[in-house]
Amino acid sequence: DQQVKQNSPSLSVQEGRISILNCDYTNSMFDYFLWYKKYPAEGPTFLISISSIKDKNEDGRFTVFLNKSAKHLSLHIVPSQPGDSAVYFCAASARGAGGTSYGKLTFGQGTILTVHP
Amino acid sequence: DSGVTQTPKHLITATGQRVTLRCSPRSGDLSVYWYQQSLDQGLQFLIQYYNGEERAKGNILERFSAQQFPDLHSELNLSSLELGDSALYFCASSAQGDGTYEQYFGPGTRLTVT
Repeated sequence: DQQVKQNSPSLSVQEGRISILNCDYTNSMFDYFLWYKKYPAEGPTFLISISSIKDKNEDGRFTVFLNKSAKHLSLHIVPSQPGDSAVYFCAASARGAGGTSYGKLTFGQGTILTVHP
Repeated sequence: DSGVTQTPKHLITATGQRVTLRCSPRSGDLSVYWYQQSLDQGLQFLIQYYNGEERAKGNILERFSAQQFPDLHSELNLSSLELGDSALYFCASSAQGDGTYEQYFGPGTRLTVT
């Protein structure tokens, strides 16, 4: 049962344009969401997060939008740069669930972003 | 550089053997997490420790065990290794253990079982 889904395995974008990466989740207990970027042979790097009490969070070129009713979040990168080419993972946590859910992140399968010069 | 270190970077071993992966969290972080990334499974949560105590458990096999030491470094022990255990193993750390802080990942250990 895949509770976090990234339905697009890959995305190709021109440099300077917007990249939009999407993520859907099914577990209504998830209340904290994160995006990670991963280069080959490296560990995931934290990009940006959002709590379920918000619907938007911005950090420089990165903005995450959360639509709780649709159980959907997206990451916008504007403007896209060739250095953004990597695998992007969406992750979710059920912080409020307590018990054995503490800190556990559930990841999507990832989306490969390619930004062309 | 996330500040999380993992050793070794690569490990090649035979089926049936036992290995130990080591992780040092970022300075000041109390919680350590272990994840497995295999080709077909994506990143899967294995286990979490907070200040020396087990806090949460994922789909960790009984052949796998972990611990966190008083200096907060952690070790993941994998025994009776099978071909299917070949994967990247990541360690992450966070300041607290209740999901209120982002997790920072180490570079991973690539395990190959032959």
